[in-house]
Amino acid sequence: QKEVEQDPGPLSVPEGAIVSLNCTYSNSAFQYFMWYRQYSRKGPELLMYTYSSGNKEDGRFTAQVDKSSKYISLFIRDSQPSDSATYLCAMTFGSSNTGKLIFGQGTTLQVKP
Amino acid sequence: DAGITQSPRHKVTETGTPVTLRCHQTENHRYMYWYRQDPGHGLRLIHYSYGVKDTDKGEVSDGYSVSRSKTEDFLLTLESATSSQTSVYFCAISESGFQETQYFGPGTRLLVL
Repeated sequence: QKEVEQDPGPLSVPEGAIVSLNCTYSNSAFQYFMWYRQYSRKGPELLMYTYSSGNKEDGRFTAQVDKSSKYISLFIRDSQPSDSATYLCAMTFGSSNTGKLIFGQGTTLQVKP
Repeated sequence: DAGITQSPRHKVTETGTPVTLRCHQTENHRYMYWYRQDPGHGLRLIHYSYGVKDTDKGEVSDGYSVSRSKTEDFLLTLESATSSQTSVYFCAISESGFQETQYFGPGTRLLVL
């Protein structure tokens, strides 16, 4: 069983839809949770970063962490074709060089005009 | 964009040959990482460095070695390439550890025949 599970998709939605991307994890020691966006043939770039439980909003993006359920989500409102990419969740314990960053497999999202 | 370059960007090699990939940064960040990305596995950590000459293993380090003789350069060597090492390799950097934002390079596509 992988430490972090993410449905690879692909997920296809019409422009303007609300998108929900999710990850589950098994290790309750994870404290820092991140979402990276990766366009085709590019390196990942950090989209959202949260510490512990709760919500964080940045424009059209909202990240949610539910540590009791070991479940994190990324919501995209008013999705745009430019949001078409692979979204990777990642998490770490928080220690500078022993809490390694663990990634989910990534979910491929396509937003159709 | 964070100042990270990877070379070469594409490489085709034969089984059994040694291969060295280079990551160069201009940000003066202390931490540097090598990941590989494969379908169904997301990003997996190969090795990382927390300072000049200070390196440690990641999740999938077998068959790989690294060196860091200068802050700005982190080399990944495949001692004797195998077809299972065909992958996309990403270098990343961060200021102070895994809990910090990691900035990724553009990637190197390696094909081992």
